[in-house]
Amino acid sequence: SYEVTQPPSVSVSPGQTATITCSGDALQRQYAYWYQQRPGQAPVLVILQDRVRPSGIPERFSGSNSGTTATLTISAVQADDEADYYCQAADRTTTFVVFGGGTKLTVL
Amino acid sequence: QLIESGGGLVQPGGSLRLSCEVSGFAFSRFWMSWVRQAPGKGLEWVARIKSAGSEKDYVDSVKGRFVISRDNAKNILYLQMNSVRVDDTAVYYCVRHLDTPPGGYFDYWGRGTLVTVSS
Repeated sequence: SYEVTQPPSVSVSPGQTATITCSGDALQRQYAYWYQQRPGQAPVLVILQDRVRPSGIPERFSGSNSGTTATLTISAVQADDEADYYCQAADRTTTFVVFGGGTKLTVL
Repeated sequence: QLIESGGGLVQPGGSLRLSCEVSGFAFSRFWMSWVRQAPGKGLEWVARIKSAGSEKDYVDSVKGRFVISRDNAKNILYLQMNSVRVDDTAVYYCVRHLDTPPGGYFDYWGRGTLVTVSS
């Protein structure tokens, strides 16, 4: 089981907005982080500390955290955004890193 | 740049040592971790080590079997895998671990090395 839960899949048409959620008690008073993993590649950090974009990540990527639900929003989705997206937080008991199960974003 | 090596096929109960050569940043100043991904599955944090190597933590499933270590003079991170099991089969990523402890996140990732445990 996962400390944080994501939907297995999300589908969106090009140009539309994709919303991927991440829920769990681990997000209470903890930052959420998001990674993009394209097929056959290593993950890439796209959002840190709930809403901060690392250098080089397009402004189309944004994040938020309401306390028990973190959200990754991708605006004006492109075919190149098709990938698996993982949220990450910290276990409230051990303080170790925990990942969600991942969400496969399909661009129709 | 993080370059992992040492992966391969190993029998259940056997041992393997993974290495990660690091360049491009001051390796000795940062916590480092190993993250793994079983085939077709999600990501799992495995172990972390403090900059000087004085503190180490492990996920419960590998505690007592895996040992993380580092050589700051050579800029190399290691993962000694002992008593491996079939469910240790995964791609193992070397990652730089920031804002830890507690929690934290991973900003630099290697390309990974595949470990297959099978008889």
